[in-house]
Amino acid sequence: DAGITQSPRHKVTETGTPVTLRCHQTENHRYMYWYRQDPGHGLRLIHYSYGVKDTDKGEVSDGYSVSRSKTEDFLLTLESATSSQTSVYFCAISEYGRDNSPLHFGNGTRLTVT
Amino acid sequence: TQLLEQSPQFLSIQEGENLTVYCNSSSVFSSLQWYRQEPGEGPVLLVTVVTGGEVKKLKRLTFQFGDARKDSSLHITAAQPGDTGLYLCANSGGSNYKLTFGKGTLLTVNP
Repeated sequence: DAGITQSPRHKVTETGTPVTLRCHQTENHRYMYWYRQDPGHGLRLIHYSYGVKDTDKGEVSDGYSVSRSKTEDFLLTLESATSSQTSVYFCAISEYGRDNSPLHFGNGTRLTVT
Repeated sequence: TQLLEQSPQFLSIQEGENLTVYCNSSSVFSSLQWYRQEPGEGPVLLVTVVTGGEVKKLKRLTFQFGDARKDSSLHITAAQPGDTGLYLCANSGGSNYKLTFGKGTLLTVNP
């Protein structure tokens, strides 16, 4: 299994509080991704990174920011959590980032915003 | 963004039955990936298909890529309870780095 660790695995927070989710990899892969998974919507890309300090937006980036200061760590921050951000968040990594290059996923973080 | 439509959305069958699930798009796929996700875990890659008309087999799973590269199917022979999970197709839609997923087919195989 690819070495991907997401932390925390579960979190409950209140509306309006900041939240940071961490993704740590030991594979030295260049590309890292944050997805959210919701019933009826499937997996949707929030942000991705194609190198240290190189990031870009996905299709549902509003309300989220990311940072990547080291190859191994990709942080997702909700500056002011809202109930609509209750979801399961998955981090993924890819060695080549190309069309047919597979993604390897972590086991997710279940976030509940009350 | 290329939209991927998966059908059926839900499928519940008995052990030993055969089944087929589909992934379709109005646009041509450059390539297509199939993943399986089990409860509480992240998706895991099953196969990548690249060439129109390509057929790949993974034990009891057969993946087919349409000749026009606008559709793909996954056929499972003699389904087992261990096949239970969410089956997802994914494609980059021409983007260099981003993978878009269909909403998936949730398969339940009952003993």
